[in-house]
Amino acid sequence: EDQVTQSPEALRLQEGESSSLNCSYTVSGLRGLFWYRQDPGKGPEFLFTLYSAGEEKEKERLKATLTKKESFLHITAPKPEDSATYLCAFASNDYKLSFGAGTTVTVRA
Amino acid sequence: KAGVTQTPRYLIKTRGQQVTLSCSPISGHRSVSWYQQTPGQGLQFLFEYFSETQRNKGNFPGRFSGRQFSNSRSEMNVSTLELGDSALYLCASSWGGNEKLFFGSGTQLSVL
Repeated sequence: EDQVTQSPEALRLQEGESSSLNCSYTVSGLRGLFWYRQDPGKGPEFLFTLYSAGEEKEKERLKATLTKKESFLHITAPKPEDSATYLCAFASNDYKLSFGAGTTVTVRA
Repeated sequence: KAGVTQTPRYLIKTRGQQVTLSCSPISGHRSVSWYQQTPGQGLQFLFEYFSETQRNKGNFPGRFSGRQFSNSRSEMNVSTLELGDSALYLCASSWGGNEKLFFGSGTQLSVL
């Protein structure tokens, strides 16, 4: 069965303390691995799409990478405004995204 | 450019009632998807519509239904509400389906 697992569930960081979030997946027909950010009371906001192993994308302090079995979201020198829940999701061949449970990141000043 | 608009923002209903939620996608987007988000289950796919046709449906009971109009606006309906239906219902739009989704802020449904 296709599924995606995120770890850790929660991450508490000091401002400037870099870390990585993991998203492991088992999908028979991957058509994209997505990362979203969700703030409390809001819908998820798109960050990245990765399509093939070895692909990397960056945006400000965030960098997403993809292997054949997992994806990482690296947060470099985080700031308090990076506090949010980060969700990964995969697209299969049938027009839906399957989301992981998310990693809640808290960055303290 | 306007984002995805969902109405109402909050809704309180009692068990057994029915509810209709509305979603206006970004202009030009033809695909609208609906997701249910709860603390225990996370984001769960409900269904996806493209050009007024349902292309995929998640594993939810028949009490959950939806439709899409010719202007791409979408509604979802939940009949015979149960306590477990309390959740944040999110609508997302895109041009064709599997590419990046733009989410609305959701409708927070509370069933008492």
